[in-house]
Amino acid sequence: DAGVIQSPRHEVTEMGQEVTLRCKPISGHDYLFWYRQTMMRGLELLIYFNNNVPIDDSGMPEDRFSAKMPNASFSTLKIQPSEPRDSAVYFCASRHGQGVNTEAFFGQGTRLTVV
Amino acid sequence: AQTVTQSQPEMSVQEAETVTLSCTYDTSESDYYLFWYKQPPSRQMILVIRQEAYKQQNATENRFSVNFQKAAKSFSLKISDSQLGDAAMYFCAYRRGVIKAAGNKLTFGGGTRVLVKP
Repeated sequence: DAGVIQSPRHEVTEMGQEVTLRCKPISGHDYLFWYRQTMMRGLELLIYFNNNVPIDDSGMPEDRFSAKMPNASFSTLKIQPSEPRDSAVYFCASRHGQGVNTEAFFGQGTRLTVV
Repeated sequence: AQTVTQSQPEMSVQEAETVTLSCTYDTSESDYYLFWYKQPPSRQMILVIRQEAYKQQNATENRFSVNFQKAAKSFSLKISDSQLGDAAMYFCAYRRGVIKAAGNKLTFGGGTRVLVKP
């Protein structure tokens, strides 16, 4: 398996524009997570899905952020409109099951810069 | 809410020497898991080692080992025989063990940068 695939790897956009980040989880994994990494706040969970259903979106900062998982092999994180404070690295991770030996596998992240 | 604290922003170690990274956490749960992740410059988060809270035996993975002190809520990582490839950010993470919605997320510490000197 190629692992968790995120696209794009880098995104530079202007304030006010819509940004869509994409994630393809590992085949067979039933959990998908979106994390954001910033210098100020470190790594924080934004939202996660189980079997394509959003379970906990309490980490989504505000209504400008939305996430979808239309099927088991694809998820998007959308920011509309984007703001400079959204600049961060966004990670997608997937996992199979709940136990301790079911580790979360991370993608390489998307570095978002909003100017 | 659970919190994870890494008090060392940066640690430097000579190649082939040993370095220990500190991690403390705060929780009222008795069942949980602890992890150490490595983040090299490529940004990829890589699991280094994991520990179940109910296990008293400290986990080891080759040159990596942990010192898990449940009563003290401490979970340090020891890297033995350090190699240049060990240079990275290291994150300590916590996950609840119960099967509930909030049990699935990883709570991360702020990270420790490890520098390896040749």
